[in-house]
Amino acid sequence: EAGVVQSPRYKIIEKKQPVAFWCNPISGHNTLYWYRQNLGQGPELLIRYENEEAVDDSQLPKDRFSAERLKGVDSTLKIQPAELGDSAVYLCASSFGLTNTEAFFGQGTRLTVV
Amino acid sequence: AQSVTQLDSQVPVFEEAPVELRCNYSSSVSVYLFWYVQYPNQGLQLLLKYLSGSTLVKGINGFEAEFNKSQTSFHLRKPSVHISDTAEYFCAVLTSGNTPLVFGKGTRLSVIA
Repeated sequence: EAGVVQSPRYKIIEKKQPVAFWCNPISGHNTLYWYRQNLGQGPELLIRYENEEAVDDSQLPKDRFSAERLKGVDSTLKIQPAELGDSAVYLCASSFGLTNTEAFFGQGTRLTVV
Repeated sequence: AQSVTQLDSQVPVFEEAPVELRCNYSSSVSVYLFWYVQYPNQGLQLLLKYLSGSTLVKGINGFEAEFNKSQTSFHLRKPSVHISDTAEYFCAVLTSGNTPLVFGKGTRLSVIA
């Protein structure tokens, strides 16, 4: 069974440019998460989807970040415009069911804003 | 709201020595507890989890953890570490209901030959 797939693995962009990350969750997993992991820190939730509905986006900086999960499967996270402080690893995870007892993580996208 | 404190940011240990990585949580409701491992440039992999039942939980790669409700702790242990255990370890808590995982800041385990 394929795990959570993210692309790209690495991205370097100049500040003020847009960037997008893509995530394909494990088949059948209805819950999808985007986490941001700053250097030397634990992951912090940005947004959580139950199917195609965003059920928790309180930590998403909505002035520059947006996300979508069309058809309740793949998801895209976008930053526009990027700032230097957005440099981090962006992790996607998925889980099955409402109790969310175990989340499976992708390898992440390492974003560097210069 | 729940929170997780990992008391040690870095733990160096010699190969074949035992190790304990400490984790304390704060929550006013019942919790599920997890330990994840992150190897360099990789995502997070689940080591073990406590949902209910026996407070001693065994996971992959010889790791185990003990849930202590009175001390609100979930420390991770391994009796004999290997070089390949060098990684970042994250403790995480999940409360019952429709809530996401909350992670600690991580502990970097460095195994020295």
